[in-house]
Amino acid sequence: DADVTQTPRNRITKTGKRIMLECSQTKGHDRMYWYRQDPGLGLRLIYYSFDVKDINKGEISDGYSVSRQAQAKFSLSLESAIPNQTALYFCATSGPTSGRQETQYFGPGTRLLVL
Amino acid sequence: KNEVEQSPQNLTAQEGEFITINCSYSVGISALHWLQQHPGGGIVSLFMLSSGKKKHGRLIATINIQEKHSSLHITASHPRDSAVYICAVGTNFGNEKLTFGTGTRLTIIP
Repeated sequence: DADVTQTPRNRITKTGKRIMLECSQTKGHDRMYWYRQDPGLGLRLIYYSFDVKDINKGEISDGYSVSRQAQAKFSLSLESAIPNQTALYFCATSGPTSGRQETQYFGPGTRLLVL
Repeated sequence: KNEVEQSPQNLTAQEGEFITINCSYSVGISALHWLQQHPGGGIVSLFMLSSGKKKHGRLIATINIQEKHSSLHITASHPRDSAVYICAVGTNFGNEKLTFGTGTRLTIIP
């Protein structure tokens, strides 16, 4: 089984709808991240969490919110989806917290289309 | 100017050729990462390095901290190496926030 899973893998929704993307990991990592990927752009950080009580905004957090329900679960919500949120979304994890750079492990991605 | 620049953006080569993908960055870093994104979209970490050189199978990654430059080499390239290769830098020790390049799309023709 995959260490980092994302659900759903594909989602089509309409403008104004609220949707949630979920991420679960079995790696025992403390640090979790949500990124979006758009054609021609690098991955951009939406939110990140260094433990259950620590949530931080990334460079493009407007229009998104997150919830860290447990060490293993990190959910991304679009409160009112808009078409320019159409993108490929990735969850990633890293750890343990060590005071140095660690490899990030990515989920398979969620392809979101907002009509 | 982006903090992380990759070149070339696209690369097509024949099977067996030696491949080089370059990454330049403009900030001080704690580590540089090379990632591979498969045609299906999944992303896998290939290397993390902060100095010198690392090798894994046919892949070699080098970094020159003074010149703020890294290269990813693939020897004896194979069609299964076709993917997007992404360079990312981390700028703070203990804080794994990464800044990503836009990727190099590599196509290996049989």
